[in-house]
Amino acid sequence: AQSVAQPEDQVNVAEGNPLTVKCTYSVSGNPYLFWYVQYPNRGLQFLLKYITGDNLVKGSYGFEAEFNKSQTSFHLKKPSALVSDSALYFCAVRDIENRDDKIIFGKGTRLHILP
Amino acid sequence: KAGVTQTPRYLIKTRGQQVTLSCSPISGHRSVSWYQQTPGQGLQFLFEYFSETQRNKGNFPGRFSGRQFSNSRSEMNVSTLELGDSALYLCASSLDGLGGRSGIPEAFFGQGTRLTVV
Repeated sequence: AQSVAQPEDQVNVAEGNPLTVKCTYSVSGNPYLFWYVQYPNRGLQFLLKYITGDNLVKGSYGFEAEFNKSQTSFHLKKPSALVSDSALYFCAVRDIENRDDKIIFGKGTRLHILP
Repeated sequence: KAGVTQTPRYLIKTRGQQVTLSCSPISGHRSVSWYQQTPGQGLQFLFEYFSETQRNKGNFPGRFSGRQFSNSRSEMNVSTLELGDSALYLCASSLDGLGGRSGIPEAFFGQGTRLTVV
């Protein structure tokens, strides 16, 4: 069965510093990987995805993520954090080669950007 | 293009009652998934409907049920409500059927329905 792990419940970063939010996954086939962001009292907003091709994918608001097949990781990164990046971030995986194809989410990582 | 619409936004119910939540997907999307979000458990997958058929189901009791109509709109029902059912219920729609071949495999979320059981 597919699964996603976000090892950090919370990440604190000073404004202007680079940020990384970690994600590892487990699927039986080739994964589709996603990052979503959730602001207070809102639904989830799609940030970026990896389907195939270049391991570094770029998304909204200056975020990017690197797919590493050998480490089964898909960490979210941004070169310079903004206070407005403070939110809850979810990593998700979809295993389309599995009969049980569905999108599974990690538990989320709360990102605090300190002014 | 209109996004995913969930109604109502907020609900307060009493233990033992039942509740129905509604979700209208993005036009053209045939897959609708439901998730329960709580602070302790994160996003838990409830079920997914595609072309009016339940295609996937999570590990929730039978009190949680759903359906999808021919226009792809979906409803979720929870019967005999318990205090622990208090949560944000999120609906997501996606273009893809099984196998995700459209090149747009991601899901798009509504703003959720906040259910409080007292």
